[in-house]
Amino acid sequence: AQTVTQSQPEMSVQEAETVTLSCTYDTSENNYYLFWYKQPPSRQMILVIRQEAYKQQNATENRFSVNFQKAAKSFSLKISDSQLGDTAMYFCAFMKGHGGSQGNLIFGKGTKLSVKP
Amino acid sequence: EAGVAQSPRYKIIEKRQSVAFWCNPISGHATLYWYQQILGQGPKLLIQFQNNGVVDDSQLPKDRFSAERLKGVDSTLKIQPAKLEDSAVYLCASRTSTGSEQYFGPGTRLTVT
Repeated sequence: AQTVTQSQPEMSVQEAETVTLSCTYDTSENNYYLFWYKQPPSRQMILVIRQEAYKQQNATENRFSVNFQKAAKSFSLKISDSQLGDTAMYFCAFMKGHGGSQGNLIFGKGTKLSVKP
Repeated sequence: EAGVAQSPRYKIIEKRQSVAFWCNPISGHATLYWYQQILGQGPKLLIQFQNNGVVDDSQLPKDRFSAERLKGVDSTLKIQPAKLEDSAVYLCASRTSTGSEQYFGPGTRLTVT
């Protein structure tokens, strides 16, 4: 069975600074995706960034980037130039499969990020 | 493009009562998920549909929970009878058959007293 572990229950960062959220996972699958989702107090789960396991290049989306270490089964999220609107719960998630055979998302327990002015 | 719709947004019931949640996925999305998110935890899968067929319901408490997606579009999740530990946010998500991104609805917050 796959597991996702987020070891930082809470983190805080000053506005405009950089913060890194940690995530490790365990799987025996070869084909899978990794995601970071953001959940603000409104509860709407929003995709931040996605990584396909077969791609060696780390994914980036504007101020968000990941450090994907496949052998170490590590998938950290770096937020640069933090903004007040980044304050939210961040969930790391795993999904096995590829093409049309994907399964469901398996989530970590989340990291509560607070961006301070 | 309209997102995933869910209703109601909030529901308060007493234990042993029944409740139903409704989800309308994004048009054309064949795969639909129901997740349960207990306060302070990440969402956990309850059931996955592909069109109107069940792909995975291994974590659905079938003695009290049921779900259907009769025409392969809308879906309903029912709890009967509810227990205190069912208090949670119920999230619906959908994706295309071959896509990897799941799109989430706003969720329904259930409180069982």
